[in-house]
Amino acid sequence: AQSVTQLDSQVPVFEEAPVELRCNYSSSVSVYLFWYVQYPNQGLQLLLKYLSGSTLVKGINGFEAEFNKSQTSFHLRKPSVHISDTAEYFCAVTNAGGTSYGKLTFGQGTILTVHP
Amino acid sequence: DSGVTQTPKHLITATGQRVTLRCSPRSGDLSVYWYQQSLDQGLQFLIQYYNGEERAKGNILERFSAQQFPDLHSELNLSSLELGDSALYFCASSGRTSGYLNEQFFGPGTRLTVL
Repeated sequence: AQSVTQLDSQVPVFEEAPVELRCNYSSSVSVYLFWYVQYPNQGLQLLLKYLSGSTLVKGINGFEAEFNKSQTSFHLRKPSVHISDTAEYFCAVTNAGGTSYGKLTFGQGTILTVHP
Repeated sequence: DSGVTQTPKHLITATGQRVTLRCSPRSGDLSVYWYQQSLDQGLQFLIQYYNGEERAKGNILERFSAQQFPDLHSELNLSSLELGDSALYFCASSGRTSGYLNEQFFGPGTRLTVL
């Protein structure tokens, strides 16, 4: 069984400050990792994904994440946030390989609030 | 816009009733996934269909069922509804291209309120 733990339920930050949203996972098999963003009253949108290769993954809207296999972490970072980044962020994991990603196991979410 | 459509957007019903949620995947996508998002349980995978066949099952209650039709749209049927079934139900689709590098695209969700 897989599990995902997002270590912070809420992260307040001021505009133009850097931010890190933390994610740890547990799995007995190789995994693919994802970060999704959910804006109010909308569905989830993929920010970035780690499948293989370079452990530093760059995504949309200036976000990046680093896969650390030894620490089973996949933390999301942005060097300078904007008001428009205010949203809920979800870390997710699925089994690697196969013919599709298969089911996603999500963390509980981190609400990022950017203050002016 | 992800290209995945869900209807209705909102649904209010009473305990004991039955409802059907509909999902139309992106054009050409063969896989459909259903997820439930609630305050106490978070985002949970319910079930996956691939080209009309059930592929994977998650934490789906026996009172819930789903199917994928030949035109690839999917329906999630929820019966004997309880207050705790109130949640946001998401559909996602993937599989426009072959292989394992298929991203899931999420619809806007159906908000179900059971009174």
